[in-house]
Parts: sequence; structure tokens; C-alpha cells
Amino acid sequence: GDSVTQMEGPVTLSEEAFLTINCTYTATGYPSLFWYVQYPGEGLQLLLKATKADDKGSNKGFEATYRKETTSFHLEKGSVQVSDSAVYFCALSDLENTDKLIFGTGTRLQVFP
Amino acid sequence: EAQVTQNPRYLITVTGKKLTVTCSQNMNHEYMSWYRQDPGLGLRQIYYSMNVEVTDKGDVPEGYKVSRKEKRNFPLILESPSPNQTSLYFCASSSHSRSEQFFGPGTRLTVL
Repeated sequence: GDSVTQMEGPVTLSEEAFLTINCTYTATGYPSLFWYVQYPGEGLQLLLKATKADDKGSNKGFEATYRKETTSFHLEKGSVQVSDSAVYFCALSDLENTDKLIFGTGTRLQVFP
Repeated sequence: EAQVTQNPRYLITVTGKKLTVTCSQNMNHEYMSWYRQDPGLGLRQIYYSMNVEVTDKGDVPEGYKVSRKEKRNFPLILESPSPNQTSLYFCASSSHSRSEQFFGPGTRLTVL
């Protein structure tokens, strides 16, 4: 079945460092891809999404490009802030049940001043 | 304010004592889902509903029930909770297929 694999954390960075969180997926078709962020004690919020190959999603300085050839959707940010500390989830939409999201295991990001 | 609300936010209970976690959304969304979040497993879908009176199983439905009598509400029922249902539960809603899902703040359940 469809699945999402993302790098294990925690990822620990200093403020203003460059961030990459790797995400690869397995799917038989062309799902939509998402990054969700979970701040401490809160629910998940959509960070960005891409619905077709070569689409780039972006929001709050974060970017991710839908790469069909490498089945990847890596999350990047050029300069992280302490306020970016959170858990980041990569997800894809199930093609048979398009309301269902299939999540990766999550990557905790810790940014220190 | 558009939101998904869940109650309670925290619950400690004992094995076998029936409980209900409520979920309500004020965005007139057709789709609603329940997920559980466990360390190392990410989020897994328990049940979903495509509209009133239409519900279906997700990936981990065993031990859970749901109902959708009104569009805004989607309660999760544990008839006889067991310790392996200790988890963080999220309700989510969306307006149509492949659209953004809005998540509630979560309910942390501990079953002793």
C-alpha cells in the first residue's frame, strides 16, 4: 500500500541554520503531498502542499517540491528560528479515499538560540 | 473563528469503562475523520465520515465506534477501552476531497 518515509529526529539546529527534512513516498498513482506542523500541545496545521509533479509548495519560508522521479517531497528552510521548533509530518492523500491522509512518523525539530 | 473542537482534552480512565470523545466543527465540512497518534507510528486513521449517516472504517478501527447524526459532530466511542488504546487522538475535517484537513487540538487518553 501507499506509504511515507521521513527522516528520524530529533533534528537539532542553531538559529539561522539551513533546514532539510527528508520525505519519500510510495504510491501507485499521483497523490497530493503535504507537510503538516504540530507545535507543542497543539493539533496539526497544514504548512504547505503540492498536488502534481514539479509543483512547489511554500509557506512561512518553508518550501518543498514534488519530485516524481525521486518520489520525494523534502522540506527546506533557509534560516530557521526558535519558533520553528515543532514536529513536522509529511503526508500523502490516499488515492482511493482522497480524504484520508497517510502520514510519516514525524520529525521533531529543535532550534536553539 | 473556523475551528475543530474536541472534548475532553485529557482523560484518564480504567479498562472497560465506556467513554466518548466529542468532535465538532463549525465550517460546514462534509468530511470528518478520527486519527490516533502513537510514537514512531505517526497518525493512523481510525474512522471517517463522508457526510451525515455515512461512516467507514479506516486503518485501525478495532475497539472504536463512531456516529454522524449531524454534519457538525463526529463523536468517537470506546465501548470497552483497553490499555492499548492509550494514545493521542485527533479529529479532522475538510470540505471536499484532497482539500486541506483542519485538525482539532487533540485528546490525550490514558487507559489504566
